[in-house]
Amino acid sequence: AQSVAQPEDQVNVAEGNPLTVKCTYSVSGNPYLFWYVQYPNRGLQFLLKYITGDNLVKGSYGFEAEFNKSQTSFHLKKPSALVSDSALYFCAVRDGSGSARQLTFGSGTQLTVLP
Amino acid sequence: EAGVAQSPRYKIIEKRQSVAFWCNPISGHATLYWYQQILGQGPKLLIQFQNNGVVDDSQLPKDRFSAERLKGVDSTLKIQPAKLEDSAVYLCASSSTGHGYTFGSGTRLTVV
Repeated sequence: AQSVAQPEDQVNVAEGNPLTVKCTYSVSGNPYLFWYVQYPNRGLQFLLKYITGDNLVKGSYGFEAEFNKSQTSFHLKKPSALVSDSALYFCAVRDGSGSARQLTFGSGTQLTVLP
Repeated sequence: EAGVAQSPRYKIIEKRQSVAFWCNPISGHATLYWYQQILGQGPKLLIQFQNNGVVDDSQLPKDRFSAERLKGVDSTLKIQPAKLEDSAVYLCASSSTGHGYTFGSGTRLTVV
């Protein structure tokens, strides 16, 4: 079984400050990890993914995430937050060793960037 | 490339009525998924197709939900009869390699 935990329902940060949205995962095989963003009344937009290789992954809109195998974490980060980054963020995982390909999502973290 | 198309965008029905949602995945994507996203929660997989075959429907409430992908391209998800707790956004996604997923904009269902 695979699962994702996003321990914070809400994260508030001031514009221009760095932001971190936390994610931990559990999977029996090799983790494939993803971050998606969702704006109101919109579908999920892909931000970045980790499949293999460098633990620091860079994605869209200046976001990056660091894969930490020992801590089973994949936290989303951005050096300088923008008001337009305010949205709902989802972490997701799938077992890269298995034949099933479905993603399992966390419960989401609402990010609010204050001007 | 064109994205994943879903229709309708919004639907309001009364409980015990039936409803159907349609999804057209990205051309060439063999794998298609239907997810249910209840307000305040993350998306939950309902069913996964590989071409026109079902790979996983373990979380599909089969007494009221059904889905098909007859020609291995577009797909329909049906609810009959609907309950209040079925109010959610229904997301369709497709992938080709298993680590590139594209989601549609979703259908927001309100059951009253």
